[in-house]
Amino acid sequence: KAGVTQTPRYLIKTRGQQVTLSCSPISGHRSVSWYQQTPGQGLQFLFEYFSETQRNKGNFPGRFSGRQFSNSRSEMNVSTLELGDSALYLCASSPWTANTEAFFGQGTRLTVV
Amino acid sequence: DQQVKQNSPSLSVQEGRISILNCDYTNSMFDYFLWYKKYPAEGPTFLISISSIKDKNEDGRFTVFLNKSAKHLSLHIVPSQPGDSAVYFCAARGVRNFVFGPGTRLSVLP
Repeated sequence: KAGVTQTPRYLIKTRGQQVTLSCSPISGHRSVSWYQQTPGQGLQFLFEYFSETQRNKGNFPGRFSGRQFSNSRSEMNVSTLELGDSALYLCASSPWTANTEAFFGQGTRLTVV
Repeated sequence: DQQVKQNSPSLSVQEGRISILNCDYTNSMFDYFLWYKKYPAEGPTFLISISSIKDKNEDGRFTVFLNKSAKHLSLHIVPSQPGDSAVYFCAARGVRNFVFGPGTRLSVLP
């Protein structure tokens, strides 16, 4: 069974640009959560999608948005990029809502210059 | 305001000895806890979990202990192996999502 796939693995963007990250969950999993990891901050929860609906949202500005498609694949979008958005963005999938262990992808390393 | 704390950013242990990683939390509503291991350039990998109705869960070399009154959990790795060198994250399940600690970097020295 294939794991969680995130694309691209690495990305360099300029301040003010926007970016879209993609996540394909494990087959059969319907919940996708997104996290931001920065040094010393651990993993900060961005949002969770389940059956194409955003179920939960963390404390991030509206520049961060996402969506989920009918095949459970999810995208995350960040608009008007800031230097502080440089981070590793991780996607995690769960069979149902993220109520037990979640399975993570390798992440997308975003660098904003 | 960090609800999940891992106060040791790093830990070094000799191979074969016990590694003890600690985690403290502030929210008494957390009811499920997990440990993840993360190697560089990889996503976190689930290691072990414990429900708040238990005080111990064991899986091979890994044991997690939960002290609800102290709002403290710990991960014991016995014996430690060089391949255990990684960053370990503690996570707690809240009402809406999992809350992660900042991580502890474990180095197991041969």
